Amino acid sequence: AQTVTQSQPEMSVQEAETVTLSCTYDTSESDYYLFWYKQPPSRQMILVIRQEAYKQQNATENRFSVNFQKAAKSFSLKISDSQLGDAAMYFCASEGGSEKLVFGKGTKLTVNP
Amino acid sequence: DTGVSQNPRHKITKRGQNVTFRCDPISEHNRLYWYRQTLGQGPEFLTYFQNEAQLEKSRLLSDRFSAERPKGSFSTLEIQRTEQGDSAMYLCASGSGTQEGQFFGPGTRLTVL
Repeated sequence: AQTVTQSQPEMSVQEAETVTLSCTYDTSESDYYLFWYKQPPSRQMILVIRQEAYKQQNATENRFSVNFQKAAKSFSLKISDSQLGDAAMYFCASEGGSEKLVFGKGTKLTVNP
Repeated sequence: DTGVSQNPRHKITKRGQNVTFRCDPISEHNRLYWYRQTLGQGPEFLTYFQNEAQLEKSRLLSDRFSAERPKGSFSTLEIQRTEQGDSAMYLCASGSGTQEGQFFGPGTRLTVL
């Protein structure tokens, strides 16, 4: 069974600063995908970034990048130049062969002006 | 494309009543997923369809729950004889393959009194 662990229930960052959200996972699959989703308050889940496990290169989407450490089963999200609109719950998720996403419990990110 | 839509957005019902939710996926997506999210938790997988075929169901999906996707387009999720423990946000997502990720709708918030 797949599991996803987010050990930081809450994080805060100053506007324009950089913050890193942690995620570890466990899977027995050799080929799998990892995702970060953002869920703003009372709004729908948005896909932020995706990573294919067989790709060595870390994924990047504008101000969002990941640090994928396959051996350590770690998949952290770095947000650079944080903006007020980045405030949300962030969920790490994995998918390994069954098409269903397994989510962590989330990290609530607060951005301070 | 207007994204994934769900109706109703909110539903309040009394224990023992039946409820039905609808999800309209992104038109070109052949995969449709249902998740349940309770307060403070990440979404949990319920079931998914590829076209009209229901390919996997979670153990969370008791015999009171049924989902359909009759023509491979929209889907319905019905809960019979609702219980207070069914109170949650029910999320629908669609996609065209694992590597592309899943795209979520705004959800239906169910409250069972």
